[in-house]
Amino acid sequence: DAGVTQSPTHLIKTRGQQVTLRCSPKSGHDTVSWYQQALGQGPQFIFQYYEEEERQRGNFPDRFSGHQFPNYSSELNVNALLLGDSALYLCASSFMGQVHGATQYFGPGTRLLVL
Amino acid sequence: QQQVKQSPQSLIVQKGGISIINCAYENTAFDYFPWYQQFPGKGPALLIAIRPDVSEKKEGRFTISFNKSAKQFSLHIMDSQPGDSATYFCAARRGRGSTLGRLYFGRGTQLTVWP
Repeated sequence: DAGVTQSPTHLIKTRGQQVTLRCSPKSGHDTVSWYQQALGQGPQFIFQYYEEEERQRGNFPDRFSGHQFPNYSSELNVNALLLGDSALYLCASSFMGQVHGATQYFGPGTRLLVL
Repeated sequence: QQQVKQSPQSLIVQKGGISIINCAYENTAFDYFPWYQQFPGKGPALLIAIRPDVSEKKEGRFTISFNKSAKQFSLHIMDSQPGDSATYFCAARRGRGSTLGRLYFGRGTQLTVWP
């Protein structure tokens, strides 16, 4: 079992550019959540995808968008990058049908640096 | 507004000692409280989790103590080892409503265990 995988591992962009990050969930999982972790902070929830739809959204602007594919993998897109978007972007997968709610398993993250 | 407050920000413990990290919350709708361990350059890994119907849960050297009336929970690491040196995050999740599945994280505690 490969666990949650993310690509790329590192990325450098300049202000105003657009970026796409990718996530493959753990085998058997159908839900993907994205989090942003700034240096020295806890992860902050961006949004969650289930059945190819955005189900929940945190306090992030519309520049952050996502997609889930039929194979449950997911993409996070960020437009018009700002310096403040520099962070570790984490993907977490879970199984929606888990009794008592889904345990989230995190991938290694994508480190984004905006210059 | 920080939904989960975590302390201390950093902790230094001697090998063999007990590490204690505390968290507090306000939202009584939270019904699942996981702890994650994160090493530099890695994503958070689930360590142990508890639900509010029990006051304590133990897995190996790791114990969660939960005080529902005080809305506080803590992680105890017994016989701390240098390999435990990492950043620890407490988190909370609502059991019902539109934010089902979203994790709210504390700011993290950087634990250093001296040999």
